[in-house]
Amino acid sequence: GNSVTQMEGPVTLSEEAFLTINCTYTATGYPSLFWYVQYPGEGLQLLLKATKADDKGSNKGFEATYRKETTSFHLEKGSVQVSDSAVYFCALSPTGTASKLTFGTGTRLQVTL
Amino acid sequence: GAGVSQSPSNKVTEKGKDVELRCDPISGHTALYWYRQSLGQGLEFLIYFQGNSAPDKSGLPSDRFSAERTGGSVSTLTIQRTQQEDSAVYLCASSNPGDKAFFGQGTRLTVV
Repeated sequence: GNSVTQMEGPVTLSEEAFLTINCTYTATGYPSLFWYVQYPGEGLQLLLKATKADDKGSNKGFEATYRKETTSFHLEKGSVQVSDSAVYFCALSPTGTASKLTFGTGTRLQVTL
Repeated sequence: GAGVSQSPSNKVTEKGKDVELRCDPISGHTALYWYRQSLGQGLEFLIYFQGNSAPDKSGLPSDRFSAERTGGSVSTLTIQRTQQEDSAVYLCASSNPGDKAFFGQGTRLTVV
């Protein structure tokens, strides 16, 4: 079956540090890949997505590249801010739509001044 | 509405009691999903509605769990004879087919 594995948190970084949150997946076919973010007290929001191999999703300075050869979709940001503190979830969908997402366990990011 | 609304936001119930969780999706969204997040676990798919029908209910963990959707809008997730392992955050999301899903803030259920 489909599965998503992401690095465990919490991840604590100083402001302006470089961020990488690793995500690897197992799936048949060609899934779509997503990063969702949950800010404190808010609902899950789509951060970025990629629907085919070598696609790069980007939003708010975050990027992730769909790597089929390594079955990975690592999230990166060059310079984090305190406002990026949140829980980040990697997810996949087998159909290319947002239905029946399979999520990782989430990684909590804490950014300090 | 402006977003997906879930109620109650928190629910504490005694073991063995039944609970109902409500989801109001974004107006016009035809697809509705329920997920569950248990402590230390990722989000677990429960059930998917397209309109009022549920073409995929494969994630419901037992027959104590059921869900319905009426009028292509509001959905209710019912858990009968709750157990402590049902304690989790229950998330609802809605979308139009092929579009991204919008999530509610969830209902935190605690079974004592």
